[in-house]
Amino acid sequence: DARVTQTPRHKVTEMGQEVTMRCQPILGHNTVFWYRQTMMQGLELLAYFRNRAPLDDSGMPKDRFSAEMPDATLATLKIQPSEPRDSAVYFCASGLLSDGNQPQHFGDGTRLSIL
Amino acid sequence: AQSVAQPEDQVNVAEGNPLTVKCTYSVSGNPYLFWYVQYPNRGLQFLLKYITGDNLVKGSYGFEAEFNKSQTSFHLKKPSALVSDSALYFCAVRAPGGYQKVTFGIGTKLQVIP
Repeated sequence: DARVTQTPRHKVTEMGQEVTMRCQPILGHNTVFWYRQTMMQGLELLAYFRNRAPLDDSGMPKDRFSAEMPDATLATLKIQPSEPRDSAVYFCASGLLSDGNQPQHFGDGTRLSIL
Repeated sequence: AQSVAQPEDQVNVAEGNPLTVKCTYSVSGNPYLFWYVQYPNRGLQFLLKYITGDNLVKGSYGFEAEFNKSQTSFHLKKPSALVSDSALYFCAVRAPGGYQKVTFGIGTKLQVIP
């Protein structure tokens, strides 16, 4: 069964440090999403890419967050500098969304704790 | 703007009883609707979707959902709940076409009591 792979699964670091989260989408999928999940806000869309091009990153704090897809097999989400309020679970999802009628496939997330 | 409402934070049901998890939506045009389930320390998993056609759609693990256009609802149902169904359930909606993003509900925690 093809799966979305996220690394690392857990990350604990101190405030001010750079954090990089990686995602390997399912081979052949043309759309990649980054979400953040917290108890208070639920699931928030941070950014999404189609055919490696960023389509929407309006949910992302631009001053510290950046998302890229250097190639079709890798998506990255970076936080620099990190802050305690960034503590959350970050999910990557991929899909084959030619018309939006196909589901997204989620990785198991990166649980981030900023001390 | 599209939106999804899941009015119940938590639903408790006895094992063996039928379950319903509610979802209402707002979107321009005909909606694409989805249900996902999330188990602890895991990502969301797709359960079922409504795109067009029969209002009753069947999905994984014995779940089904009924699309009701007049009530703008897409409630998730299962005839007989299992303890293993206990999880967090998300309803999602998007408008068809173009680069429309999916909007997820806040999630409903389902607790099946043995």
